[in-house]
Amino acid sequence: GNSVTQMEGPVTLSEEAFLTINCTYTATGYPSLFWYVQYPGEGLQLLLKATKADDKGSNKGFEATYRKETTSFHLEKGSVQVSDSAVYFCALSDRKGGSEKLVFGKGTKLTVNP
Amino acid sequence: SQTIHQWPATLVQPVGSPLSLECTVEGTSNPNLYWYRQAAGRGLQLLFYSVGIGQISSEVPQNLSASRPQDRQFILSSKKLLLSDSGFYLCAWDRGLVNTEAFFGQGTRLTVV
Repeated sequence: GNSVTQMEGPVTLSEEAFLTINCTYTATGYPSLFWYVQYPGEGLQLLLKATKADDKGSNKGFEATYRKETTSFHLEKGSVQVSDSAVYFCALSDRKGGSEKLVFGKGTKLTVNP
Repeated sequence: SQTIHQWPATLVQPVGSPLSLECTVEGTSNPNLYWYRQAAGRGLQLLFYSVGIGQISSEVPQNLSASRPQDRQFILSSKKLLLSDSGFYLCAWDRGLVNTEAFFGQGTRLTVV
């Protein structure tokens, strides 16, 4: 079945450091790919998405490119801030029965220190 | 605007007791609804989804059940909780469109003791 493998955390960085969180997937067909973020005390919210190969999703300085050849969707940010501290989830969509079910990775906790 | 409410935020229940978690969505109609669980050391796992009133699909065999008595209400239940039911439960909805974004509630931390 479909699956997502995400870089294990936790990740601790200093402010303004470069961030990469690796994500690879296994899927039949061509799913859409997502990054969701969960800030402390809040629910998950969509950070960015890409719906086809070579698409780049971007939001709040974060970027991820849908790489079909390497089945990857790595999350990057050039300069992290303390406010980026959160748990990040990579996910793919598995559309079945009229619903867009999400298959998630385990999540990566990021802590950014001032 | 649309909002999703999920309660309670935390819950401690003894083994063998019943469970009822409720989720409601406002500001939209005929959403797809989902229950996810995150157990310790594992990713978010889809438990149930619903594309309409009374329509429930289960993804994994388990001790839980779900119901959708109204268009924007989704309930997760158990008759007798097990220790293994402990985890973080998240309700979500989407518009039922291809590649659509999912919107999540704030989650319920369930501890079965």
